Amino acid sequence: DAKTTQPNSMESNEEEPVHLPCNHSTISGTDYIHWYRQLPSQGPEYVIHGLTSNVNNRMASLAIAEDRKSSTLILHRATLRDAAVYYCILSGFSGGSNYKLTFGKGTLLTVNP
Amino acid sequence: DTAVSQTPKYLVTQMGNDKSIKCEQNLGHDTMYWYKQDSKKFLKIMFSYNNKELIINETVPNRFSPKSPDKAHLNLHINSLELGDSAVYFCASSQDSPLRRADTGELFFGEGSRLTVL
Repeated sequence: DAKTTQPNSMESNEEEPVHLPCNHSTISGTDYIHWYRQLPSQGPEYVIHGLTSNVNNRMASLAIAEDRKSSTLILHRATLRDAAVYYCILSGFSGGSNYKLTFGKGTLLTVNP
Repeated sequence: DTAVSQTPKYLVTQMGNDKSIKCEQNLGHDTMYWYKQDSKKFLKIMFSYNNKELIINETVPNRFSPKSPDKAHLNLHINSLELGDSAVYFCASSQDSPLRRADTGELFFGEGSRLTVL
């Protein structure tokens, strides 16, 4: 499975932008880049996903490098509710006949008031 | 209405017992999943069903047996529970099947079922 590398933790202040990096140097041409987050004691929650072009939605923006070997999740104004573990995931061909999401360790984001 | 609901939320049991966790989704999705999150917080896929058919079966002991009576339900039965089975089990669903495309769209997760084996 193609792997991703994320910092273990990051800190931000409330109402400031947050840029969460992710490296995926072994990404293949068919791998989508997904971001999920997991708030304490909850299930993971979808944030955004993309293939090649930058993506925006109501929660965040996803900036994908031109060579696709890295991406950045951008939270435009962090709130206390954004404190969570953020997972950068590739939906890769599993070697069988299907695709799957393989979660890594993620980045623990702390938001200071 | 909860989109993906799991029961029970907490389960404490003795080694050697058999237990089940139930999952239901009201999103009309075709594909459902079971994930396991261990004490180190790694989230690993266990099984996936598409329209009641098993399509992903990771290296999971035979003691774990998923059952999908219909596409809205995916239950997980665990026989002869061991200490190492203690974890949080998450059910999830998606509209599309990972058989057909890498972009299965959004996965919707339940709130998890915390299993503690004593």
